[in-house]
Amino acid sequence: GAGVSQTPSNKVTEKGKYVELRCDPISGHTALYWYRQSLGQGPEFLIYFQGTGAADDSGLPNDRFFAVRPEGSVSTLKIQRTERGDSAVYLCASSLTPAAEQFFGPGTRLTVL
Amino acid sequence: KQEVTQIPAALSVPEGENLVLNCSFTDSAIYNLQWFRQDPGKGLTSLLLIQSSQREQTSGRLNASLDKSSGRSTLYIAASQPGDSATYLCAVKVFGNEKLTFGTGTRLTIIP
Repeated sequence: GAGVSQTPSNKVTEKGKYVELRCDPISGHTALYWYRQSLGQGPEFLIYFQGTGAADDSGLPNDRFFAVRPEGSVSTLKIQRTERGDSAVYLCASSLTPAAEQFFGPGTRLTVL
Repeated sequence: KQEVTQIPAALSVPEGENLVLNCSFTDSAIYNLQWFRQDPGKGLTSLLLIQSSQREQTSGRLNASLDKSSGRSTLYIAASQPGDSATYLCAVKVFGNEKLTFGTGTRLTIIP
């Protein structure tokens, strides 16, 4: 595709449930990033992949959050035992190389009831 | 720890006016700075990227400047239009760290 795509666009779940959020980066982009944006705030970094490996996961808030990128393209962000405080927009970005401009997807709006 | 500040949080100007949005950062050892636009309920659209070795970048009616020594960047929008209404975010990347650190944004409203 022409840009970064994310699915689903909206996800409503109940407290304690497990969710998976998917990101399809721009074809050929080796670097992939996940950010989280709360209402009225700028995005905050969660994790960065170079190829298949997580090069920096320092932004993951706790061990309920996990992300994978098994083939170096599509990535999935996984959240276990969701809490109401996890409600936010989860943004994915990709770049051709780690140093290059980052391009963002439309985001997944997660609501935990 | 890098901190990025954008002031004001909101700005309203009449259509046709030129305007400047401000961004400041605490760690001057940046690799690059990126300006984004975000429409309500949407993702981020990259507007301009300035490398640390550059002083400014231009795209159409937009001009971004960078002064590393003072920890500041400005986004200049010429001849504003109602379609420019959006939230504008700046983000910096420091050497040795690939993540972007964002400001909280300036919500711009252009009054027809």
